[in-house]
Amino acid sequence: GALVYQYPRRTICKSGTSMRMECQAVGFQATSVAWYRQSPQKTFELIALSTVNSAIKYEQNFTQEKFPISHPNLSFSSMTVLNAYLEDRGLYLCGARGGAETLYFGSGTRLTVL
Amino acid sequence: GDSVTQTEGLVTLTEGLPVMLNCTYQTIYSNPFLFWYVQHLNESPRLLLKSFTDNKRTEHQGFHATLHKSSSSFHLQKSSAQLSDSALYYCALITQVVGQLTFGRGTRLQVYA
Repeated sequence: GALVYQYPRRTICKSGTSMRMECQAVGFQATSVAWYRQSPQKTFELIALSTVNSAIKYEQNFTQEKFPISHPNLSFSSMTVLNAYLEDRGLYLCGARGGAETLYFGSGTRLTVL
Repeated sequence: GDSVTQTEGLVTLTEGLPVMLNCTYQTIYSNPFLFWYVQHLNESPRLLLKSFTDNKRTEHQGFHATLHKSSSSFHLQKSSAQLSDSALYYCALITQVVGQLTFGRGTRLQVYA
């Protein structure tokens, strides 16, 4: 079956530092990867959508300078949160799709900022 | 753009009673895919149901939903709630053209004994 491994599961970083999270698709080719943030009391905010052979599209309020994403092949994607502050805390989820419509989520990376 | 509206906030039920979580959507595209995801505490969302066929019931793990394009709805139902059904439920929409999943704001279901 299709699986998405995301790591680390949780991370704590000091204010102003950066952290990177990674996703690995297993059992299918991840032609598109979406990165979401689930903040306390909020639904999923789409950060950016990365589709193979297309430029990465960032949503309003999210920038490449703050959340650089790499999607170098059909099984791997990473995102870094640069210069993290309190407002960046939350659960970060990667969702990967193959040719079909179903989005499979990784287990999430819970970011705590001190 | 696309949008999803679902029963907001907290829904509380006694075990054994039927579950009904509403979901309606808006999109300009004619062939949307609709999903229900379930998220238990400290876990990531897991796909529960999906459908793109009009008026066809889809079922999984005791839950069912039918996509009705005429009313733009995809309500989640279960005949008898269980304690283990307590979780956050998200209705979501994707259209191939847009390529991204649009989520509703989530419904927290709490089932009591």
